[in-house]
Amino acid sequence: EADIYQTPRYLVIGTGKKITLECSQTMGHDKMYWYQQDPGMELHLIHYSYGVNSTEKGDLSSESTVSRIRTEHFPLTLESARPSHTSQYLCASSVGLGYTFGSGTRLTVV
Amino acid sequence: DQQVKQNSPSLSVQEGRISILNCDYTNSMFDYFLWYKKYPAEGPTFLISISSIKDKNEDGRFTVFLNKSAKHLSLHIVPSQPGDSAVYFCAASEYNQGGKLIFGQGTELSVKP
Repeated sequence: EADIYQTPRYLVIGTGKKITLECSQTMGHDKMYWYQQDPGMELHLIHYSYGVNSTEKGDLSSESTVSRIRTEHFPLTLESARPSHTSQYLCASSVGLGYTFGSGTRLTVV
Repeated sequence: DQQVKQNSPSLSVQEGRISILNCDYTNSMFDYFLWYKKYPAEGPTFLISISSIKDKNEDGRFTVFLNKSAKHLSLHIVPSQPGDSAVYFCAASEYNQGGKLIFGQGTELSVKP
């Protein structure tokens, strides 16, 4: 039973479209993260938040933006999708170093 | 500048034998290390961790060894089972960095019956 939910699981979308990837957790964790991962590559941190109204960019530069208006919700938005955004996006939350990951969103931009 | 490296992209092992997955790091400030297991189209799940004050941690079939002088850690799985087939990620954290995890590239383990 997942405590962190990501929707959609798969998304194929055309170039130039605006998309929002949803991430919600029911554990009350203050810290939440977005990672991007391509096959055979490491997970790259693109955004993180340590609480409501707190967001920071991660180590990998990303054209996406995030918001944290509620503790349980940490959506990621791409204003204009491009083929270079094709990847798997993983959301996680943590207390201490105990990360819980969602199932991920596999995004394909055509 | 990759701080956590897993130099073997894949590993194939016979069922019942030992699997050894390796991980190297460059940042001597890392003080906590973790291993995650990931199936295709799923998020990583936590497997085992070790603090930098220890050199070994064991949990059932899984043991993690840390060699700080060599900046190297390894995950041993014994005996290996077909259900262990997955991608294994090594991750490291520095306390002063607020709990952010830095991941390696992963090693795909295949356990053959």
